[in-house]
Amino acid sequence: DADVTQTPRNRITKTGKRIMLECSQTKGHDRMYWYRQDPGLGLRLIYYSFDVKDINKGEISDGYSVSRQAQAKFSLSLESAIPNQTALYFCATSDIRAGGTREHEQFFGPGTRLTVL
Amino acid sequence: AQSVAQPEDQVNVAEGNPLTVKCTYSVSGNPYLFWYVQYPNRGLQFLLKYITGDNLVKGSYGFEAEFNKSQTSFHLKKPSALVSDSALYFCAVRDRGGATNKLIFGTGTLLAVQP
Repeated sequence: DADVTQTPRNRITKTGKRIMLECSQTKGHDRMYWYRQDPGLGLRLIYYSFDVKDINKGEISDGYSVSRQAQAKFSLSLESAIPNQTALYFCATSDIRAGGTREHEQFFGPGTRLTVL
Repeated sequence: AQSVAQPEDQVNVAEGNPLTVKCTYSVSGNPYLFWYVQYPNRGLQFLLKYITGDNLVKGSYGFEAEFNKSQTSFHLKKPSALVSDSALYFCAVRDRGGATNKLIFGTGTLLAVQP
């Protein structure tokens, strides 16, 4: 979805390096999410934010941190990258103002492929 | 705890034949159920959802899914598969009674449609 962008799209880094993945959205949604995708494991939630002042851990937050700089921006950081953080990372958004059931529809960015050597 | 199971890692079907991608769920209370599709090098795209009402839900690209409460299933179906349907399909669930708005995704099923 072009309304949710992620940078970089691909990144190769070394163990111990600090990495930041960025997500921006022009959809005006209040809720943003970070997932990682691993083969055979599907998508797992790392962190989510329901507004700028609200940050919540997901099921696999260890080794990650996030920053919600503005409603439109949600960054994911790996303070000291390790090889098992090699994965495909997705940002997603949803809109509580859509009302009722629409708030559960999530809109995904194109993903960032991260390789940690 | 909420969970979603997609028992098949891969489904192979010939073009023109009907296809089914299976999903079962476990939640406390009544579920919200979703199907998403991921094409190569793309993010996930919403296909369809079940919230309430008719057990047969119609979605994008000719797909439909049937909610079966007694079998706790939400299988994705299409009467006639296209080669362009080849992609990775994810089932997801959100507990209607839950305090958060998180979706729990299954592990994904790769659909391969042969010409």
